[in-house]
Amino acid sequence: GENVEQHPSTLSVQEGDSAVIKCTYSDSASNYFPWYKQELGKGPQLIIDIRSNVGEKKDQRIAVTLNKTAKHFSLHITETQPEDSAVYFCAASSPLTGGGNKLTFGTGTQLKVEL
Amino acid sequence: NAGVTQTPKFQVLKTGQSMTLQCAQDMNHNSMYWYRQDPGMGLRLIYYSASEGTTDKGEVPNGYNVSRLNKREFSLRLESAAPSQTSVYFCASRGDLQPQHFGDGTRLSIL
Repeated sequence: GENVEQHPSTLSVQEGDSAVIKCTYSDSASNYFPWYKQELGKGPQLIIDIRSNVGEKKDQRIAVTLNKTAKHFSLHITETQPEDSAVYFCAASSPLTGGGNKLTFGTGTQLKVEL
Repeated sequence: NAGVTQTPKFQVLKTGQSMTLQCAQDMNHNSMYWYRQDPGMGLRLIYYSASEGTTDKGEVPNGYNVSRLNKREFSLRLESAAPSQTSVYFCASRGDLQPQHFGDGTRLSIL
């Protein structure tokens, strides 16, 4: 089955700096890669996603890049702000035999933006 | 605009007790999912339902059962709770060609 590895597990940056989180996946059939942000006591919230036919996607201060050949994808946050502090999860989506898709998650990155 | 609603938010059980976690979505999504989240392990899929009337096992189904009651509701049942099932449980739903939307979780402790 799919295996997703995520690094680093913790990341501390100064406000205004950039943050980069990296993930690798194993299943070449995976075709969709969402990123979720999870705040304390809440469920994961989608912040950006990318499909396998696209190499890069940007939404204001957040961007995701995908290298299908190397099977890795990354989240880039520029001009970080204290409200960016949270746990970030990458995921890879692959088809399920029963229909629909299955998300395999990375183990998460605790991002702390310091003033 | 509720999205995915999970009840209860917190629960403490004794070993061997049973309980059902409830999940309902108001987005008319076909697919629904149950995950558990443990420290350092991300989210792992327990069971899923690709459409009303169907359910299938995910990565960690042992000790759990599910029911897709109708298109809106997908419940998770622990028949005989064990301490290893202490976790945070998340329900998610997904429409066709759309991302998964998550509820805010049920925090379950088993003593």
